[in-house]
Amino acid sequence: AQSVTQPDIHITVSEGASLELRCNYSYGATPYLFWYVQSPGQGLQLLLKYFSGDTLVQGIKGFEAEFKRSQSSFNLRKPSVHWSDAAEYFCAVGGNAGGTSYGKLTFGQGTILTVHP
Amino acid sequence: NAGVTQTPKFRVLKTGQSMTLLCAQDMNHEYMYWYRQDPGMGLRLIHYSVGEGTTAKGEVPDGYNVSRLKKQNFLLGLESAAPSQTSVYFCASKSGTSGSFAYEQYFGPGTRLTVT
Repeated sequence: AQSVTQPDIHITVSEGASLELRCNYSYGATPYLFWYVQSPGQGLQLLLKYFSGDTLVQGIKGFEAEFKRSQSSFNLRKPSVHWSDAAEYFCAVGGNAGGTSYGKLTFGQGTILTVHP
Repeated sequence: NAGVTQTPKFRVLKTGQSMTLLCAQDMNHEYMYWYRQDPGMGLRLIHYSVGEGTTAKGEVPDGYNVSRLKKQNFLLGLESAAPSQTSVYFCASKSGTSGSFAYEQYFGPGTRLTVT
């Protein structure tokens, strides 16, 4: 069974500081990996995704993530955080190992990011 | 394109009442999903549909029913609401069946439901 763990429930950073949000996954084959962001009272917006190829992927809003197969990780990074980045971030894994999966995504528990001025 | 829309945005129910949540998408997507979001638990799949006229159970289907009579609409019903169903409900849809697009879902803004 596939699973996703986001070890940090809540992270606080100062505006302008760098950010790394951790994501570890469990999956029996090559996964498709996603990061979504949810601003307060809003739906989920796709930040970036990993499908294949280059393990460092770029997303919207200046975010990037690196797929590390040996560590089963897909950590999200941003070199300089802006106050508008305050939100909840979800890592998700999808794939069809073992057959039809109806496009199933498994989400992590989420990491709440607070940005101090 | 409006994308994925959900109606209503907020609702308060008393225990035992029923209601229907409507999800609509204008992207001609085949697949649609209903999730619930609870603090510290991420999103959990309630039901999904792989096309018009089809529905299937997800991880937490008990207490919910769904229908997909039209391709663009996916309805979630609560026949007899319980306080445990207090949650934020999200609808999502996707189109592709190959590569990463097979898993790239587009989300609605959510419905916040409180059952007292």
